[in-house]
Amino acid sequence: DTEVTQTPKHLVMGMTNKKSLKCEQHMGHRAMYWYKQKAKKPPELMFVYSYEKLSINESVPSRFSPECPNSSLLNLHLHALQPEDSALYLCASSQVSGDGEQYFGPGTRLTVT
Amino acid sequence: GEDVEQSLFLSVREGDSSVINCTYTDSSSTYLYWYKQEPGAGLQLLTYIFSNMDMKQDQRLTVLLNKKDKHLSLRIADTQTGDSAIYFCAEGSTTDSWGKLQFGAGTQVVVTP
Repeated sequence: DTEVTQTPKHLVMGMTNKKSLKCEQHMGHRAMYWYKQKAKKPPELMFVYSYEKLSINESVPSRFSPECPNSSLLNLHLHALQPEDSALYLCASSQVSGDGEQYFGPGTRLTVT
Repeated sequence: GEDVEQSLFLSVREGDSSVINCTYTDSSSTYLYWYKQEPGAGLQLLTYIFSNMDMKQDQRLTVLLNKKDKHLSLRIADTQTGDSAIYFCAEGSTTDSWGKLQFGAGTQVVVTP
């Protein structure tokens, strides 16, 4: 199983809402990533988890809060987002941190109204 | 700092070969990657090359690396309509232990019948 799954596929939320994005992998990978991608742009790294511990936060605003409950799951909690946060949010995993051979999920298309 | 550059657009006829070019600046790059992104989907790792290699072939894909010029190319033989996508080159370095990939802007490849 080389699949990374993400839910929901699409999400529309108001600026006062609280929502969560979920990501799951069953490849035994110990590194998981959150990326943000705007249209026609490359992905921008947000967070890296290594062995369920947060190892990189790329100066992401606190309205984005990641969580790694176990080695297979990665969440991104959203609160008080701005319209400019509308983007495709991609989750990825790799065997270990530092491995560029990353497997990406299909993403969650987020629209903030 | 690191920088990865790609041409933004390539149009190719079905059955012809496509060549996508990429230049990078980080001399400590250890691995160089090619990812493909189809519309509405996540990124898919196509292939990668270790920096001490000149060439790697994998079925219809050929990667050429000129380390002196820091130039990377991806050749797709017998291009098909299913190859229409955005192609990102990315560099990774063993000096970055957290798996942060430096992506290029992406090349949109359009295959015409």
